[in-house]
Amino acid sequence: GENVEQHPSTLSVQEGDSAVIKCTYSDSASNYFPWYKQELGKRPQLIIDIRSNVGEKKDQRIAVTLNKTAKHFSLHITETQPEDSAVYFCAASPYFQGAQKLVFGQGTRLTINP
Amino acid sequence: DTGVTQSPTHLIKTRGQQVTLRCSPISGHKSVSWYQQVLGQGPQFIFQYYEKEERGRGNFPDRFSARQFPNYSSELNVNALLLGDSALYLCASSLRQGAVQPQHFGDGTRLSIL
Repeated sequence: GENVEQHPSTLSVQEGDSAVIKCTYSDSASNYFPWYKQELGKRPQLIIDIRSNVGEKKDQRIAVTLNKTAKHFSLHITETQPEDSAVYFCAASPYFQGAQKLVFGQGTRLTINP
Repeated sequence: DTGVTQSPTHLIKTRGQQVTLRCSPISGHKSVSWYQQVLGQGPQFIFQYYEKEERGRGNFPDRFSARQFPNYSSELNVNALLLGDSALYLCASSLRQGAVQPQHFGDGTRLSIL
């Protein structure tokens, strides 16, 4: 089955700097890759997603890149702000027996230092 | 628009008991998925339901079951509770079943087993 590895597990950056989180996946049938932000005690919030027919997608300070050949995808946050501090999860979605399940990475705890 | 709603928010049970968790999807969404999130880890897929039928099941024992109602709400049942079932149970809804449908999560039910 699908397996998603996420690095780093913790990341600390200065306010205003950029942050990059990387994920690799194993199942070449995966065709949808969302990123979720989860603040302490709150729901995972979808922040950006990318489909397998697209190499890059941007939404203001957030961008995601996908390399299908290498089975890598990454989240880039520019001009980081204190409110960006949270746990970020990547996920890959193989179309599995007629269902769309999300397979999540282990998460990255991002801390923005003022 | 109301997001995904789950009840109860917190629940304390003892080993061997049974529990029922409830989820109402976003209005217009017909697919509901259930995930288990153990502290410090990413969510793990349990079930997906679409049009009242089970469309996918993760690697969970038969003690876990679910159903979807005509109004697209869903219940997750867990029998013979074990200490290891302590987790945050998340429900996610999507517009319909499909390989590239964004899933939006509720706040979850935090289940503690004593």
